[in-house]
Amino acid sequence: AQSVAQPEDQVNVAEGNPLTVKCTYSVSGNPYLFWYVQYPNRGLQFLLKYITGDNLVKGSYGFEAEFNKSQTSFHLKKPSALVSDSALYFCAVRDGRNYGQNFVFGPGTRLSVLP
Amino acid sequence: DAGVIQSPRHEVTEMGQEVTLRCKPISGHNSLFWYRQTMMRGLELLIYFNNNVPIDDSGMPEDRFSAKMPNASFSTLKIQPSEPRDSAVYFCASSSTAYTEAFFGQGTRLTVV
Repeated sequence: AQSVAQPEDQVNVAEGNPLTVKCTYSVSGNPYLFWYVQYPNRGLQFLLKYITGDNLVKGSYGFEAEFNKSQTSFHLKKPSALVSDSALYFCAVRDGRNYGQNFVFGPGTRLSVLP
Repeated sequence: DAGVIQSPRHEVTEMGQEVTLRCKPISGHNSLFWYRQTMMRGLELLIYFNNNVPIDDSGMPEDRFSAKMPNASFSTLKIQPSEPRDSAVYFCASSSTAYTEAFFGQGTRLTVV
């Protein structure tokens, strides 16, 4: 069975500084990895995904994530944080070897970007 | 496409009443997921369907919860009887293949008093 860990409940960063939100995963087959963002009273919005290919993937709103197979990690990054990036971020994994396997989400990390 | 559509957006009901939440997935998507989000437990998968067939319902809390997908464009999540601890935001999501992201609806905020 798949699992996702987000070791930090909360990340605080100053506006303009780089940000990193951490994610590690466990899956028996090939990992398909996803990042989502949730703003207050809204549904989850897709940011980016890793399926195969280049380990560095770029997504919406200037976010990127790096897939590291040896460390089973998929950390979300952004070179320069904005106050509007403050939200709840979820990492998710799907087992690519078993089609039909569900999305498993991590517990979420609350990002606060301070002006 | 209008995205995943959930109704109602808000539901307030009394304990013991039946509650039905509705979801219309994105046209052409063949996987549908129901999630529940609370402060205490985070985002929990309740059940997911593939090609209208329930694949994994191990997350359904108890027999009071049931879900159906009678066709590719409609799914329901029913709680009967409802209890205050069922109060949460319920999300529906759909995806087109195993390789693609899931798209979420706006959620239904359920309050059981």
